[in-house]
Amino acid sequence: DAKTTQPPSMDCAEGRAANLPCNHSTISGNEYVYWYRQIHSQGPQYIIHGLKNNETNEMASLIITEDRKSSTLILPHATLRDTAVYYCIVRVVGRNNNDMRFGAGTRLTVKP
Amino acid sequence: EPEVTQTPSHQVTQMGQEVILRCVPISNHLYFYWYRQILGQKVEFLVSFYNNEISEKSEIFDDQFSVERPDGSNFTLKIRSTKLEDSAMYFCASSALSGIVQETQYFGPGTRLLVL
Repeated sequence: DAKTTQPPSMDCAEGRAANLPCNHSTISGNEYVYWYRQIHSQGPQYIIHGLKNNETNEMASLIITEDRKSSTLILPHATLRDTAVYYCIVRVVGRNNNDMRFGAGTRLTVKP
Repeated sequence: EPEVTQTPSHQVTQMGQEVILRCVPISNHLYFYWYRQILGQKVEFLVSFYNNEISEKSEIFDDQFSVERPDGSNFTLKIRSTKLEDSAMYFCASSALSGIVQETQYFGPGTRLLVL
C-alpha cells in the first residue's frame, strides 16, 4: 500500500472549515484513500473514502486531486468535538483481509 | 446504527497471566481484525480472521497470541502469558464480505490492558 504524509498538527477555529491535507504521491490505480479519526484513545472512527472523484457525506468532504497524488479532508464547520487525530490511509480494495496501515496522523485541535 | 462492542473496557493483570479480550463484531460482518495501540504510538495491525481461520497476521502476533470465534457472535483475542510490553489498547474491527463500501473496517471502543 502507498505511504501517506500528513502534517503532525493543525489548529482550527470553532465554526470554521478544517482542511486536512494528505500526500500520497506513490498511490496506484487500484488504491483508495480512506480517512479515519481517533478521539482521545477511543477506537478509530471511519469518516470517508474515495478513489478519484470527490466525495461528501454527513461528516465530511474528500477532495482528491486529478493526479490522485494528494487529497484534502474538509470538515465544513468544525466543532470542539472534532478535536482528534485524523488518519489518511491508502489501501487496495478488493483484498478483504488487508490490514489498515495507520501512520502518525494529524492532530487537529479545534479552538473556541 | 450497528457497532462493534468490546469487553472488558479495562483489564489489569499480572505478568505471566493469561487474558482473553472479547469482541462482538457487527452482526452481518464476516471479516474480523485485532489491532493494538501502545500509549502514544500508532495503531498497529495484529491479525485478520475469516471463515474460522487467520487470513493475515503481523510480526507482533507471535505464539503468545491466538484468536477464536467460539460462537456465532463473539471474536476473542487470547494472550497466553502476558508481558509488560503487552500493555496497550486493543481494538477489534470488522468488515463485511465484499464490495467497496462493505470493505470499510469499523472499530470497537477498545480494551485497555495493563500488565503489572
